[in-house]
Order: sequence, then C-alpha cells, then structure tokens
Amino acid sequence: NAGVMQNPRHLVRRRGQEARLRCSPMKGHSHVYWYRQLPEEGLKFMVYLQKENIIDESGMPKERFSAEFPKEGPSILRIQQVVRGDSAAYFCASSPRGGTQETQYFGPGTRLLVL
Amino acid sequence: RKEVEQDPGPFNVPEGATVAFNCTYSNSASQSFFWYRQDCRKEPKLLMSVYSSGNEDGRFTAQLNRASQYISLLIRDSKLSDSATYLCVVNMRGYSSASKIIFGSGTRLSIRP
Repeated sequence: NAGVMQNPRHLVRRRGQEARLRCSPMKGHSHVYWYRQLPEEGLKFMVYLQKENIIDESGMPKERFSAEFPKEGPSILRIQQVVRGDSAAYFCASSPRGGTQETQYFGPGTRLLVL
Repeated sequence: RKEVEQDPGPFNVPEGATVAFNCTYSNSASQSFFWYRQDCRKEPKLLMSVYSSGNEDGRFTAQLNRASQYISLLIRDSKLSDSATYLCVVNMRGYSSASKIIFGSGTRLSIRP
C-alpha cells in the first residue's frame, strides 16, 4: 500500500509564475490536508478537502492560492503569481475519515523555491 | 498567545538520558492530541496519540492534563536515533464540523554519544 505521494519533490519558479503541487492520498483515503512549513517554523494548516469538496480553507491566503480535490486524480494546490515569500515546504496529508481522532499520514513534501 | 506552544529547545542530552517536553494549548475545546516527530527535511510522522489516561509506547510516555491544558512527552533511555524535532499537535473542531489541526513549532532534540 503506497503511502501519500507528492510531486514534484522540488519545484523552482520565478516570481510571477504559477506553481502546481500534486498530492495523491493513500489508497482508500478520501480526506486530504495541505500544510505549509516555512524554514525553522512549524507546519501551518492551509486547507482541508474531501473528494470534490473544500471543507475548511481557513488557513489559505485569500489571494493567489487555490486547492481542489477532483473526483478522479490527485489533489492540487495551485499558487498563482508566486512571490519569494511563497518559498516553503508544502506537505500534504491524508486520512481515511475526517474525525478528530484520525491519524494523518504525510507525504514527503514539495519544496518550492521562488527566485 | 499562540494556540499551541512548545518548549523552544534545542535540547542536547547524552545518550541514555531521560528527557521531557511540554506543550500547552489555549483552546479548551481541543479534542485530540498527538506527538509527531520530524527528521531534518523530512515529513512529520506520527509518534503517538495522547489519551486522557496517559499512555506508554516502549520508551515513550505521553500524558494529558486537561485542567491545565498541557500535554507532555517523556523519552527514557534516549538513543541517538531519537534526535529529531518533536511536534505537538492539537486537533479541535472548527466550523462546518471540519477538523482544525494546530501544530506547535516543534522542539528540537539532539542526542550526543
């Protein structure tokens, strides 16, 4: 049973370009969470999605960031017009259900560098 | 005040020592608690859940004090492989019945031979 997969593992973009980060949850998991981790800081919750639905996007910046989790295919975190401050590690996690007792399994992360 | 606060660290202790971390949380509605470990430039991995009655897993003991709103992690007979950053995670019910997960900023532990 493959774990959570994220790609690309490393992504370099110039200011103003778009970044697309993909996350394939573990088999059988329908709940996906995205986090951002800045250097030397903890993980910050961004968005929680279930298949075809955004459940909680309270951690998402209001502009330039969007997320989706279509019926088929991976979840995608999209950052438009990237700026240097977007440079961070972006982790995706998945769980089989969405309750508070559910363990989240993390992917290896995508490290975004904005030049 | 941060919603979840941890000992800042870093902790640098000799192999075999016992080390303890604390974590406080501000929201009394918090429902579940976890300790994760994160190795340098890797993803967080679940170490253990924290239950009201306290729980133990080998050399690791976790405790929860709801009245004082803190959780702790005790590592006995520390090994070199325990060197990592330990993240306190608090899960509370947010709006729309969605989970809201708060990560502490982590406590860095370094075990020296």
